[in-house]
This record gives sequence, structure tokens and C-alpha cells, in this order.
Amino acid sequence: GNSVTQMEGPVTLSEEAFLTINCTYTATGYPSLFWYVQYPGEGLQLLLKATKADDKGSNKGFEATYRKETTSFHLEKGSVQVSDSAVYFCALREAGMLTFGGGTRLMVKP
Amino acid sequence: NAGVTQTPKFRILKIGQSMTLQCTQDMNHNYMYWYRQDPGMGLKLIYYSVGAGITDKGEVPNGYNVSRSTTEDFPLRLELAAPSQTSVYFCASSFGFNEKLFFGSGTQLSVL
Repeated sequence: GNSVTQMEGPVTLSEEAFLTINCTYTATGYPSLFWYVQYPGEGLQLLLKATKADDKGSNKGFEATYRKETTSFHLEKGSVQVSDSAVYFCALREAGMLTFGGGTRLMVKP
Repeated sequence: NAGVTQTPKFRILKIGQSMTLQCTQDMNHNYMYWYRQDPGMGLKLIYYSVGAGITDKGEVPNGYNVSRSTTEDFPLRLELAAPSQTSVYFCASSFGFNEKLFFGSGTQLSVL
């Protein structure tokens, strides 16, 4: 079956540091890939997505590139802010069904 | 615009008790979903619905029941609560099968 593996957290960074959260996946076909963000006390929100190989999703300064050859979709941001503190979930969608990774908690300190 | 609304936000149950988690959406979405989120784990799909009157099992349906009598509402029922059902539950909806999901803020349930 499909699966998504993320780096375990928490990831603790200082403000303006560079962020990378690793995500790799296993799928039987050609899934779409997503990053969701969950702020404290809230539900998940779609952060960005990519629907085919070599696509780059971007939003709010975050980026991720769909790498079919390495089955990866790593999340990056050049300069994090305190307001980026949240839990980030990588996910894939195939045949309409979402499969989520375990989530990575990011803590950004001023 | 309320989006997806879940109630209650928190609940503690004793083993064997029953309860219903409520979920309603005001976006006229056809598809609705129930997920559970265990610590350090990704969300697991419990049940989903593609429209009023139609429901289907997800990955972890045992111990739960759902109904979809209206487009807006998708309640999740726990009949005999067990400690293994301690989790955070999220309801979500989407307009279509491959469309963007909108999530509620979650229900934190503890079974003691």
C-alpha cells in the first residue's frame, strides 16, 4: 500500500533560519503530493501541492518539488518566522484517497 | 463563512459509554470524511461519504458508525468506547473526489 515517511520532530530553529523537512513516499501509481499545516488548536490547512513529477508547489515562502526519481517532496523555507511554528504533514493522494505522514512539529524561537 | 464545524472540542468518556461527534459544513460539499490522529502518527481515515445517504469504510472503521442524512451533517458514533479510541478526531469535506479538503478544528477524545 501507499505510505508517507517524514522526519521526526520537533525541529527547533531560530527566526530567519533555513528550514528543510524531509518527506519520502511509496505509491503504486502516480500520486499528487501535498503539504498540510496545523496551527495550534486548529484543523489542517493545505499549504501547497504538486500534481506531477518536477512540479514545484509554493505558498507563503514555502516550497517543495516533486522528485519522482527519489520519491521525495521535501519542504523548504529560506527564512522562518515565529508564526511558522506549527505541525507540518506530508501527504499523497491516489485514487482520491489521502495518505498522511506522521507530522513534524516545527518550533521557531525569536 | 463557518466552513467545517465540529462539536464538542473535548470529551472524556468511560469505557463502554457511547457518544456522537458532530460535524457540519456549510459549503455544500458532496464529500465528507472522518479521520483520527494518534500521537506521532498521520491521520487515518475512519469513514467517508460521497453524498447524502451514501457512506463507506476507510482504513480504520472498527468501533465506529456514521450516517449522512443531509448534505451538511456527518456525525460519527462510538457505541462502546474503548481506550484504543483515545485520539483526536477531525472531520473534513471537499466539493469533489480530488478537490481540496477543508478540515474542522478537531475533537480531543479520551476514554478512561
